[in-house]
Amino acid sequence: DAGVIQSPRHEVTEMGQEVTLRCKPISGHDYLFWYRQTMMRGLELLIYFNNNVPIDDSGMPEDRFSAKMPNASFSTLKIQPSEPRDSAVYFCASRSGTGFQPQHFGDGTRLSIL
Amino acid sequence: GQQVMQIPQYQHVQEGEDFTTYCNSSTTLSNIQWYKQRPGGHPVFLIQLVKSGEVKKQKRLTFQFGEAKKNSSLHITATQTTDVGTYFCAGQGLEYGNKLVFGAGTILRVKS
Repeated sequence: DAGVIQSPRHEVTEMGQEVTLRCKPISGHDYLFWYRQTMMRGLELLIYFNNNVPIDDSGMPEDRFSAKMPNASFSTLKIQPSEPRDSAVYFCASRSGTGFQPQHFGDGTRLSIL
Repeated sequence: GQQVMQIPQYQHVQEGEDFTTYCNSSTTLSNIQWYKQRPGGHPVFLIQLVKSGEVKKQKRLTFQFGEAKKNSSLHITATQTTDVGTYFCAGQGLEYGNKLVFGAGTILRVKS
């Protein structure tokens, strides 16, 4: 079975540019999560969706960050404009909604803002 | 601030030695999950504990959930080089809005 698919795997761009990260959750999973991982702050939950609806975006750092889930098989996390402090590994994870279920993580996008 | 505390932050052991990481929550949890992240990889689910005082084993790994459902531990017996990575606990509970709150992780290095 295909796992969570993220693209791109690596992104290097200059400060001020728009960055779009993409995620395809596991088919049938109705929860989708976006995390950011850095050495300083560890694994932080940015936002999560249930049935394509954003439920909690309290972890989104600021207005430069936005996330969408137009359908059950696709989500994006956008940063505009990007800043060097946004450099991190961004993970997408999904899980099914029945009971206490584990989260399945994608391989992540390693983002470097110069 | 961090709602799920995990210690130690880092441990370097000789191959064959045991290893333990501890997780503490400020509030009662409904369940706790453990994940392992290999260097350069992504977190991978290991196990979930739900019941008070629950103990589960996976080969050399032993997981415990405290009686008060506020703490948990992961113990590895006779570490091997394949155990290298970061071990995260993640708690879920009403106080956390049913989100999964991750601890900071314990980085394990094994000397052969």
